[in-house]
Amino acid sequence: DQQVKQNSPSLSVQEGRISILNCDYTNSMFDYFLWYKKYPAEGPTFLISISSIKDKNEDGRFTVFLNKSAKHLSLHIVPSQPGDSAVYFCAASAPGGTSYGKLTFGQGTILTVHP
Amino acid sequence: DTAVSQTPKYLVTQMGNDKSIKCEQNLGHDTMYWYKQDSKKFLKIMFSYNNKELIINETVPNRFSPKSPDKAHLNLHINSLELGDSAVYFCASSRKGQSNGVPQYFGPGTRLTVT
Repeated sequence: DQQVKQNSPSLSVQEGRISILNCDYTNSMFDYFLWYKKYPAEGPTFLISISSIKDKNEDGRFTVFLNKSAKHLSLHIVPSQPGDSAVYFCAASAPGGTSYGKLTFGQGTILTVHP
Repeated sequence: DTAVSQTPKYLVTQMGNDKSIKCEQNLGHDTMYWYKQDSKKFLKIMFSYNNKELIINETVPNRFSPKSPDKAHLNLHINSLELGDSAVYFCASSRKGQSNGVPQYFGPGTRLTVT
């Protein structure tokens, strides 16, 4: 039962263009969403997060949009740079109790930015 | 000045053996986690500890036993290793409190191969 899904295994973008990575979720209890970037042979690195009470959060070149009614979020990278080439994971968390601190991850999208 | 470190980075062993993976964080965080990334690249939480107390224990075989000697360390001991245990294991940590939306910081991973 995959509660967080990234349906695009890969995305290829030209340098300077926009990269849009998508993520869908099924659990309506999720109230925080995070994006991580992962390079080969390294651990995931936190990029940006958004609370379910917001619909947009921006940090430099990275913007995350949340559409609660559609249970969909997306990460926009503008402008894309070759150094952005990595695997991007979407993750979600639900309120405390037994879910305390538990992140549920999508399967990742490989982003390749061509010079 | 590595934030979250794991040893070893690679571990090759035979079925039936017992092995341990060590994790240390110098971020002053109170909560630590173990995740498993399987062959399909899904990152799934196994355990979390908050200030040496077990918080999350997902449906993990009891051959896996986490040990937290202090809040800066969370080790993973695996008994009677099986082929299906082959995966990359990531340690992570986060600060205390309501962990929703609080980023988790990951170690570089330990690639375990069971032959």
